[in-house]
Amino acid sequence: RKEVEQDPGPFNVPEGATVAFNCTYSNSASQSFFWYRQDCRKEPKLLMSVYSSGNEDGRFTAQLNRASQYISLLIRDSKLSDSATYLCVVESGRALSGGSYIPTFGRGTSLIVHP
Amino acid sequence: GAGVSQSPSNKVTEKGKDVELRCDPISGHTALYWYRQRLGQGLEFLIYFQGNSAPDKSGLPSDRFSAERTGESVSTLTIQRTQQEDSAVYLCASSYGQGYLYNEQFFGPGTRLTVL
Repeated sequence: RKEVEQDPGPFNVPEGATVAFNCTYSNSASQSFFWYRQDCRKEPKLLMSVYSSGNEDGRFTAQLNRASQYISLLIRDSKLSDSATYLCVVESGRALSGGSYIPTFGRGTSLIVHP
Repeated sequence: GAGVSQSPSNKVTEKGKDVELRCDPISGHTALYWYRQRLGQGLEFLIYFQGNSAPDKSGLPSDRFSAERTGESVSTLTIQRTQQEDSAVYLCASSYGQGYLYNEQFFGPGTRLTVL
């Protein structure tokens, strides 16, 4: 089983739709979780961290389910500009001295929002 | 302020040649990461530097790959005797590093390496 798994998509949705992505992780000791966004031929950028209690930032909501070992990202009222690849990132496993962890990236979920 | 910068932005080389890629992290960031991203693929971790600690090289795919970082400044990734399968975008990221639970990584624009 891969450490971090995502449905590659693409998810093809109309403007205004609500879309949700899941990401599963294999290491139950994982501590930090993130969603990054990567536009075509660009570098990834942090979209939001995922807190244990779940968190919301405008149209975006992130949830963590430790029991089932997955995180989710919900996008409401999709915009054309939301079209991108969404990368799930989990920090787990290889702990270095000082408590820092190597992040593991999922392969990403492609979202296409059309008019 | 200035973000992470990488150079060159594009590099075309012949199979068998050595290449050196450079990364300038954000000032004050103690952690620095190198990743490789092949076309249509996810990010593949290569190496991690944290302050003056020994780097985590567990992601380097072969002994042709090496990286250095002096203190908390510039890092160079060197690929010796390049092969066509080394063709990819090489991304560098920096962060505040250990002690930060939610440790945002800031990525550079990447170096697109093409091995002919």
